[in-house]
Amino acid sequence: DVVMTQSPLSLPVTLGQPASISCRSSQSLESSDGNTYLNWFHQRPGQSPRRLIYNISNRDSGVPDRFSGSGSGTDFTLKISRVEAEDVGVYYCMQITHWPGTFGQGTKVGIK
Amino acid sequence: EVQLVESGGALVQPGGSLRLSCAGSGFTFSRHWMNWVRQAPGKGLVWVSHIKSDASITNYADSVKGRFTISRDNAKNTLYLQMNSLRAEDTAVYYCTRENQMDVWGQGTTVTVSS
Repeated sequence: DVVMTQSPLSLPVTLGQPASISCRSSQSLESSDGNTYLNWFHQRPGQSPRRLIYNISNRDSGVPDRFSGSGSGTDFTLKISRVEAEDVGVYYCMQITHWPGTFGQGTKVGIK
Repeated sequence: EVQLVESGGALVQPGGSLRLSCAGSGFTFSRHWMNWVRQAPGKGLVWVSHIKSDASITNYADSVKGRFTISRDNAKNTLYLQMNSLRAEDTAVYYCTRENQMDVWGQGTTVTVSS
């Protein structure tokens, strides 16, 4: 199975400041169809996960534009341009280029 | 509104069985792959199983293969997970999700395996 490694695992942030989460895969996530199936999810405390970004950089409907995704191959990044209080929680990357789909360990974002 | 609602979670003894359900609404259920994903207490997300829109393809994580069975009833817009020979390590919140890209998630249902 493809191993997804996130860093850092804990990220204290200051409101209004940027934040960045790294996700690395043990194999390239570029599919034979040309797509790269790397998604990002956000799970607030006590809630179910919500997809933020799919295929590296496409924001889901209703996701603020302060969230952006980038990367290629095996290295990917989720950036928050200016952290707001509602952004706390755990962020997961997930790949489905190779089955079974696998998730990163999660990065817990909290306010300093 | 697109929605998934899970049910069926309970406290069950090791070796027991349970069937989870997931009702979809607000979209054409029969056109979508569906998944089960679980989250053990305080842990991360783990894919469990998925099923093609017409139920012609199913796949399972190695940890549940031979014990869990995924199925669906498109006439009832409902996804199922039959869980047999349950173990303590199956204790988790179970989420159903739409599509392999997991664009929609339910609120989850809690399964606790304990004597």
